[in-house]
Amino acid sequence: AQSVTQPDIHITVSEGASLELRCNYSYGATPYLFWYVQSPGQGLQLLLKYFSGDTLVQGIKGFEAEFKRSQSSFNLRKPSVHWSDAAEYFCAVEVSGSARQLTFGSGTQLTVLP
Amino acid sequence: NAGVTQTPKFRVLKTGQSMTLLCAQDMNHEYMYWYRQDPGMGLRLIHYSVGEGTTAKGEVPDGYNVSRLKKQNFLLGLESAAPSQTSVYFCASVTSFGEQYFGPGTRLTVT
Repeated sequence: AQSVTQPDIHITVSEGASLELRCNYSYGATPYLFWYVQSPGQGLQLLLKYFSGDTLVQGIKGFEAEFKRSQSSFNLRKPSVHWSDAAEYFCAVEVSGSARQLTFGSGTQLTVLP
Repeated sequence: NAGVTQTPKFRVLKTGQSMTLLCAQDMNHEYMYWYRQDPGMGLRLIHYSVGEGTTAKGEVPDGYNVSRLKKQNFLLGLESAAPSQTSVYFCASVTSFGEQYFGPGTRLTVT
């Protein structure tokens, strides 16, 4: 069965600093990959997705992610973090033929210092 | 366009009581999902539906039932609530491209 690992439970960065959140997946083929963000007390919002093609994908709110097949990774990046980016971030994998089911990582909580 | 709505937002149940959570979407999506979210465990799929009148089990279906009588609504039922079902429940509807749109969640406490 596929799995998704987000090795960092909690990350703290200063406002204006760059950010990278890590995501690794375990699956035989190339899955569809997603990043979602959850603000406190809210549902999840899609940041970006990778299906195929260009391995660097752009998303909303200035985020981007790079798919690296050799490393089974799909890391999320942002060049300059804003205080409003403080939230929990989830990486997810969809397996082809699975009725569009997603397997989620356990999440990374981002704290932004002023 | 309200997207995905969930009713109620909060609920406290006693062990053994029953309740139904309602999810409604106005985007004409075929696929809908129910998840539960517990600290440190991400989201886990309870049940899902690939169209009106169809339902299927997800990763953690025990203790829950679902119904999809209308395309826009997906109901999650707890017949006899247990403290282990204390959680935050999210509904999502899915585009044909696999993008999931989530509701705001229902926070359920079972005492």
